[in-house]
Amino acid sequence: ETGVTQSPTHLIKTRGQQVTLRCSSQSGHNTVSWYQQALGQGPQFIFQYYREEENGRGNFPPRFSGLQFPNYSSELNVNALELDDSALYLCASSSGGHPYNEQFFGPGTRLTVL
Amino acid sequence: AQRVTQPEKLLSVFKGAPVELKCNYSYSGSPELFWYVQYSRQRLQLLLRHISRESIKGFTADLNKGETSFHLKKPFAQEEDSAMYYCALREIQGAQKLVFGQGTRLTINP
Repeated sequence: ETGVTQSPTHLIKTRGQQVTLRCSSQSGHNTVSWYQQALGQGPQFIFQYYREEENGRGNFPPRFSGLQFPNYSSELNVNALELDDSALYLCASSSGGHPYNEQFFGPGTRLTVL
Repeated sequence: AQRVTQPEKLLSVFKGAPVELKCNYSYSGSPELFWYVQYSRQRLQLLLRHISRESIKGFTADLNKGETSFHLKKPFAQEEDSAMYYCALREIQGAQKLVFGQGTRLTINP
């Protein structure tokens, strides 16, 4: 059984650019959640996908969007990057359909916006 | 709105001493409470959850609904306990998103 993987590990972008981050869920998991973790803060919920549909969203603007694919891998897209988007982006996968299923986190992608 | 507060950003104790990491929450319903841990150069991982009522690596946490607290405790700290600890709550309904506190960095001195 493989764990949650994310790519790339880190990247640098400039203001106004667009970025795509990728997440591969743990085997057997059909739910993925994305979190933003700013320096010195706890992770903050961006949105969740369950069986390719958005299943909840946090307090993030529409320029943060996502996709989940039939194999349950996922993408986080951020348009019109701002300096404050610099953060560690975490994805977490779980088995949906049960309220107490554990979320397993990936190692994160560190995004720097200059 | 849901909120998790960890009042201490840094906590330092000596090996063998008791440890208590504080966590308070605000939530209108009945949340599920967790402690997550991140060891150096490792990913965020679940330490324990209140519904399990079990001790993991010697740590326990009791949900006190009256005080809206979920403090993490260990009677005798070990050097390998040094890590970043996050308290989190999860809504029972909807997306079941996790709401995290800002974290406490625990350092165990030899």
